[in-house]
Amino acid sequence: GQNIDQPTEMTATEGAIVQINCTYQTSGFNGLFWYQQHAGEAPTFLSYNVLDGLEEKGRFSSFLSRSKGYSYLLLKELQMKDSASYLCAGMDSNYQLIWGAGTKLIIKP
Amino acid sequence: GAVVSQHPSRVICKSGTSVKIECRSLDFQATTMFWYRQFPKQSLMLMATSNEGSKATYEQGVEKDKFLINHASLTLSTLTVTSAHPEDSSFYICSARDSLAGDQETQYFGPGTRLLVL
Repeated sequence: GQNIDQPTEMTATEGAIVQINCTYQTSGFNGLFWYQQHAGEAPTFLSYNVLDGLEEKGRFSSFLSRSKGYSYLLLKELQMKDSASYLCAGMDSNYQLIWGAGTKLIIKP
Repeated sequence: GAVVSQHPSRVICKSGTSVKIECRSLDFQATTMFWYRQFPKQSLMLMATSNEGSKATYEQGVEKDKFLINHASLTLSTLTVTSAHPEDSSFYICSARDSLAGDQETQYFGPGTRLLVL
């Protein structure tokens, strides 16, 4: 079956670094997405990885290892506004997104 | 770029009435749009895939006669919740793919529509 696993909740301190892990099992693979979703709002696109390695975009970086079925989202210099849920989604061979349940990130001062 | 709008953002209606939600891609063409539903503290649930000029593809368990989808143009898809009941109260979110972009896999989300059925 198809499955996305990510931690339910994480807590970090303002100014610190946090890594949110995601493991995936999909029927075929056409990429791994990370979205940010603030409470009561729709998701916003953060990153897309289809090749192995690290993609850096400002304070946010995303890593993919296809052989391990593993990805992580790295957030640096955490700010209070980064408190949100972070959704990992894998795209299968039919270009359908398989969604994880989301990781709620709590930032403390 | 890649902006998706939804209207209305919030709607309250009586049980038994129908509600139409519009999803528009503002600065790109979208041959494919997606409709999701999200209950509080739960993940997104894909309801249907909307293809311009053809019938929508519904996910298992989603009633196509209750959730009518029309994708009449490259920039507009509508979801009509017919004979809405309180259990249909939810956050409805659409997303769209840019048909002409080099990266055609990324879905861009609308702001969502919060439906409350009394």
